[in-house]
Amino acid sequence: EAGVTQFPSHSVIEKGQTVTLRCDPISGHDNLYWYRRVMGKEIKFLLHFVKESKQDESGMPNNRFLAERTGGTYSTLKVQPAELEDSGVYFCASSQVTPWTSGSLKETQYFGPGTRLLVL
Amino acid sequence: SQQGEEDPQALSIQEGENATMNCSYKTSINNLQWYRQNSGRGLVHLILIRSNEREKHSGRLRVTLDTSKKSSSLLITASRAADTASYFCATLNSGYSTLTFGKGTMLLVSP
Repeated sequence: EAGVTQFPSHSVIEKGQTVTLRCDPISGHDNLYWYRRVMGKEIKFLLHFVKESKQDESGMPNNRFLAERTGGTYSTLKVQPAELEDSGVYFCASSQVTPWTSGSLKETQYFGPGTRLLVL
Repeated sequence: SQQGEEDPQALSIQEGENATMNCSYKTSINNLQWYRQNSGRGLVHLILIRSNEREKHSGRLRVTLDTSKKSSSLLITASRAADTASYFCATLNSGYSTLTFGKGTMLLVSP
């Protein structure tokens, strides 16, 4: 079974440009999450999709970030315009069920390899 | 917001030795998970322990959870050079669906 995949693996852009990151979750996983780790800091939650709906976007830093999951399959995260402080590693994760579904390990979040973004 | 904190920040041991990492958190949790990140790679899920569990084993991994102290430990027995990585604890807070990560422990296992 294929894991979570992310594209691109690396991206180097200039301040003010636009970058779009893509995440393909594990097939059949309704839940998709975006996290990021900026240099020297903790991995921080950005947002959570259940199918195509945004369940929780409380971690999105500002309106320069736009996440979509049309059709409830893959998701994109667009940063426009990019700023220097956006540099970091962006992780995507997926899980089969939402964490409040009891009695199974299906709430485990499986992470992709991340996209390393560098804004110059 | 809650923040998991791992202790120590870095740990250097020899192959064959045991490695113990600790994690503390601040609020009520649903479960606690440990992840590993090898250099330049993604996060690999290691083990999940629920709030009503006290200990769990998986291969060479042993995780304990003390909800009264709001702490967890990860023990890796008979370490190998391939265990060299950063280890993160992540808590699933009660009522939420997202993970809160600590800063991680960097483990170096020398041959």
